[in-house]
Formats: sequence, C-alpha cells, structure tokens
Amino acid sequence: AQSVTQLGSHVSVSEGALVLLRCNYSSSVPPYLFWYVQYPNQGLQLLLKYTSAATLVKGINGFEAEFKKSETSFHLTKPSAHMSDAAEYFCAVTLNFGNEKLTFGTGTRLTIIP
Amino acid sequence: DSGVTQTPKHLITATGQRVTLRCSPRSGDLSVYWYQQSLDQGLQFLIQYYNGEERAKGNILERFSAQQFPDLHSELNLSSLELGDSALYFCASSRASNTGELFFGEGSRLTVL
Repeated sequence: AQSVTQLGSHVSVSEGALVLLRCNYSSSVPPYLFWYVQYPNQGLQLLLKYTSAATLVKGINGFEAEFKKSETSFHLTKPSAHMSDAAEYFCAVTLNFGNEKLTFGTGTRLTIIP
Repeated sequence: DSGVTQTPKHLITATGQRVTLRCSPRSGDLSVYWYQQSLDQGLQFLIQYYNGEERAKGNILERFSAQQFPDLHSELNLSSLELGDSALYFCASSRASNTGELFFGEGSRLTVL
C-alpha cells in the first residue's frame, strides 16, 4: 500500500525566508503525488501535483515541489515566505491517476514569524 | 469558494445519537468523497461514490453509512455516536477526468458530548 510521511508537524520560518516542508513517499510503483493546503476554518485546496510529466512542479502562490525518485521525496518549497502562507500543508499520494482516493500525510502546520 | 457545499457546519449531539451530514458537489462533478479529520487520526478516507454507486471504501466504521442520490448530492449517516467520533468531516468532489484534483467543502464539525 502507498503512504506518505511528513517530517515535522510544525515548522516556523521568518517572513521572507525559505519555506521547506518535507514529504517522503512509500510506494511499490510510481506514485502520483500532491500537496494540499488548509487555511484556518476552510477545506483543503490543491497547491500542486506530480503526474510524471516533469519532476519539478510549480503550483499556486509561488510554491513548487521536486519529485526525487532516488530519495523517494516530494518536498515543498517557496523561496520567500509571506504571512499569508500560514496554514496546514498536506502531502498526499495515489497510485491510480483518475481515482482520486488520496492517502494523506499527517500534515505540517506552517507558522510565519513577522 | 470550492463550489462544494456541506451542511451543517457545526453539530453538537450526545452519545448514542444519529446524525446526517449532507454534501452538494460542484456542478458537473460525479465523484463524491468523504474524509474524517481528527487530531489523533489525521485525515482519513472514509468512502467514495461515483454517479450514485459506491466506488471505494476506506476506514469507515460499520456504524457509518453513506449514499449518493440521483441528483449527485451525498449524505453521510453516523449512528450510535461515541465520543471518539467527534471530528471534522469533509466532503470532496471531482470530475473524474483524470486531473487528480479534489475540491473540498469547508467541513462539518461534529462534537459528541
């Protein structure tokens, strides 16, 4: 079965600093990977997705993630944090593109320090 | 606004009771998913419906059931409620057009006292 592990349940960065949220996957076959964001009192929203077309994926709000098969990782980055980035971020995986029964990680809460 | 509507937003009830959560998917979306989010379990997939038929089942308890109606709205029924059922229940929908994207509602927060 596929799974994702998010390292660090809480991450704090200063405004303007690099954001790095870690996600490692476990899968016996090439997976499809996603990052979702959840703002307070809202549902989850798709940030970006990896579907094997390109290993570096750009998403909304300046975020990007790189699929590294050798490291089984799909870390999320943003060069310069903004106060509005404060939210909870979830990595997710599925093996069957088109079947969106996603398996989510436990989430990382990102705090931005002014 | 994702276009997915969930009601009620908040619900407080007692142990042993039964509640129904309702979800209206985005216009045109045929798939509906239910997820449970709790502090100790994280975000857990419960069940998926596609065009009225059950497509996939996850960690859904026997006390819980769901259905999708001809107009594509879905209901999640939770019965014999226990304290541990207190959680945020999300509905999501997708077009099943191989985009890999789920559109989530804002959730129904259930508190069991």
